[in-house]
Parts: sequence; C-alpha cells; structure tokens
Amino acid sequence: KAGVTQTPRYLIKTRGQQVTLSCSPISGHRSVSWYQQTPGQGLQFLFEYFSETQRNKGNFPGRFSGRQFSNSRSEMNVSTLELGDSALYLCASSLDGQTGELFFGEGSRLTVL
Amino acid sequence: GQQVMQIPQYQHVQEGEDFTTYCNSSTTLSNIQWYKQRPGGHPVFLIQLVKSGEVKKQKRLTFQFGEAKKNSSLHITATQTTDVGTYFCPGSGAQKLVFGQGTRLTINP
Repeated sequence: KAGVTQTPRYLIKTRGQQVTLSCSPISGHRSVSWYQQTPGQGLQFLFEYFSETQRNKGNFPGRFSGRQFSNSRSEMNVSTLELGDSALYLCASSLDGQTGELFFGEGSRLTVL
Repeated sequence: GQQVMQIPQYQHVQEGEDFTTYCNSSTTLSNIQWYKQRPGGHPVFLIQLVKSGEVKKQKRLTFQFGEAKKNSSLHITATQTTDVGTYFCPGSGAQKLVFGQGTRLTINP
C-alpha cells in the first residue's frame, strides 16, 4: 500500500511569487490535512479537507488556500509569498480525519528568498 | 481556542536515563495521540489514548491519559539513541487535531 506522496519535495521561490503543493493520500483515505512546520512554531494546522470540502481551518491568512479533488488528492496554494512562509509543509491523510491516526507524507520544503 | 502545551520543549539525556514529556490541554479532549518525528523525517503515529486514566505500554514507552482527559504523559525507560526525535501529542477536541511545539529529545551516547 503506497504511502502519502507529496510533490515537490523541495522548492525555492522569491517573495511575491505563488506556489502550489500537491498531496496524494493513501488509497481509500478521504481526509487530507495540511500543516506548516517551522523551528520556532512547531506544527501548525492549516486546513483539512474531507470529500472535497474544507472541514476545518487554522489561523492562517487568506493567502493560504487549498482544495481537494474527487480522487481525494489535495493541493495547497500560497500566494504573494513572504520570507516567513519558508517552512516544511506536511500533508497527512486519514480515513475520516476525526478519530484515527494521521499518516504523514515526507513534506515539501519551501524556501522563500 | 483549544491549545495543547507540551513540556519540556527540549530535553537532553544520557543514554540509559529515563525521559518524560507532558502534555496539557486547556480543554477536555476526546482523545489524545502521540507521534514521533525523527530528525529530517516526518511525524509517525505511536498511539492513541481515549479513556480517562488510560495507560498503555509499548516496550520501553509508557503512555498515560489523565483522569480529567486534559493531560497526558509519555515516559521512556532507559533511553536509547534510536529514541532521538521530537515527540508530539495532538489532542482531539473540536474535530481537529491540535499539535503543540513538541518535545525535542537528544541523547548523549
């Protein structure tokens, strides 16, 4: 059974640009959550999608957005990048997103110059 | 909003010493999970606690959920270098898991 796949693994952008990150969950999992991880802030919840609907949202500005497709694959987008957006973005999938364990991908490491 | 505080934030021990990390929530949790993230890796699920006062063991690791379901602890007996990493205890409240900063454990061999 394939794990959670995130692409790209590494990317470098400059301030003002936008970026799209992709996450393919484990087959059969309908919930996809996104987290931002930085050394100073730990793991911060961005949003969670379930059956193509955003079910929960963290405290991030509107520049951070996401979506989920009918095959449960998810993308997140960050517009007008800022230096502080440099982080590891982790995607996690689960069966229903509420009671079971989360399976994390390897993450996408974003560097904003 | 729901917050999970974890202490200590950092812990350095000699190999063979015991280690404990604590999680405290501002609200009652429906369950709490524990994850381990090795350096350069991604968080990996360790265990889930659901019942008040629940205690679960995995070899040298002992997990406990408080009676009020607002706190939890992870105790590692006789640490080994393979225990190095950051331990997170996200608690489930309002239908989402809230991760704290975690406890980063380093070990002197």
